[in-house]
Amino acid sequence: GAGVSQSPSNKVTEKGKDVELRCDPISGHTALYWYRQSLGQGLEFLIYFQGNSAPDKSGLPSDRFSAERTGGSVSTLTIQRTQQEDSAVYLCASRPQGPDTEAFFGQGTRLTVV
Amino acid sequence: AQKITQTQPGMFVQEKEAVTLDCTYDTSDQSYGLFWYKQPSSGEMIFLIYQGSYDEQNATEGRYSLNFQKARKSANLVISASQLGDSAMYFCAMREDNQGGKLIFGQGTELSVKP
Repeated sequence: GAGVSQSPSNKVTEKGKDVELRCDPISGHTALYWYRQSLGQGLEFLIYFQGNSAPDKSGLPSDRFSAERTGGSVSTLTIQRTQQEDSAVYLCASRPQGPDTEAFFGQGTRLTVV
Repeated sequence: AQKITQTQPGMFVQEKEAVTLDCTYDTSDQSYGLFWYKQPSSGEMIFLIYQGSYDEQNATEGRYSLNFQKARKSANLVISASQLGDSAMYFCAMREDNQGGKLIFGQGTELSVKP
């Protein structure tokens, strides 16, 4: 596909369960970002991968959140022991190499914790 | 401290008029980039315009222009000839190159265009 693909598009889970959210970036893009967006709010930075560098995890809200990026391509965001406050849209974006390149966003995964 | 500040939670503009959406930023980096994105009610994030910190000219893309005032650390978005389809959330973002390219967003401004 030509764009950033996220799956699933919607996820309903019970409190306390673990969830995995997947992001397939645009082929060749070296940078990958995860954001969380609560209803009517801005984009909260979670984590950033750039090539083979160590990821910038400074935005992860707790140790229940983790992410990995395998082979410089697909990324998975994992939330363990989900809480109701984790309910939000999780957005992934990728960006090609270069200083003046924009980030391309996926459609997001809407997570609802019940 | 907020890195990106958008002080207007909501704005109204009459169709066909121009509107300015404010954005101020905070960085000690010399090299950075500033972006504006549009998010309609469908939720997709649409890139609008980019300004590099070393660019001397204000960026323009069609009806969008970026009023870049480096000394004041502001990067306001100007939309000319507003259309009903411009009604959406607008986000300002900054990429700090000394932070490895991390991209941080403001809280957004909701623009409503009145017919």
